Amino acid sequence: DVKVTQSSRYLVKRTGEKVFLECVQDMDHENMFWYRQDPGLGLRLIYFSYDVKMKEKGDIPEGYSVSREKKERFSLILESASTNQTSMYLCASSPSGGGRRETQYFGPGTRLLVL
Amino acid sequence: AQSVTQLDSHVSVSEGTPVLLRCNYSSSYSPSLFWYVQHPNKGLQLLLKYTSAATLVKGINGFEAEFKKSETSFHLTKPSAHMSDAAEYFCVVFYNQGGKLIFGQGTELSVKP
Repeated sequence: DVKVTQSSRYLVKRTGEKVFLECVQDMDHENMFWYRQDPGLGLRLIYFSYDVKMKEKGDIPEGYSVSREKKERFSLILESASTNQTSMYLCASSPSGGGRRETQYFGPGTRLLVL
Repeated sequence: AQSVTQLDSHVSVSEGTPVLLRCNYSSSYSPSLFWYVQHPNKGLQLLLKYTSAATLVKGINGFEAEFKKSETSFHLTKPSAHMSDAAEYFCVVFYNQGGKLIFGQGTELSVKP
């Protein structure tokens, strides 16, 4: 059974803190993604990675960075958290070949509140 | 501009009645289209996927969707709703031009007993 796990389900941080969100997949997938989900806006892509140490900006990368040191792990970093980064963060992975055309497998999400 | 529009933000049906969730997308040559479902406090799960084979696509849990190129639509249907179908549903389109994957805004489905 495919599995994408995220380190926290709920997180509360203060403005200005550095925040790390971790994602691990056990399917040996090449591609990994970070999205944020906000009511009425669907999912918006923050960053994605198609290989270890490779990353590409998505549609809303400002205020975020990512790290992929190992194939199975993809981290999202908020360098200095702000209240407008309060959101649900979803991680996903997919096999290589079709890139973003492939089916994506999602983690359960991390609900982040920045005070 | 590439876009995906889910025509209803919320749909409410009674258990045992048909479900129709509507999705339109901006025209594209040979797109790939998906429907995902998200149950409360869970990640998204693939329901079904169209990739230029048969225009009527069958998915899990009795759902199906029909790709209509002339109408640029990919509506999701189910003949008989079940309480466990209550969730949020996302229509997603992959555009070859630019390689972008675009999510609709989501439709919340409520099922009344």
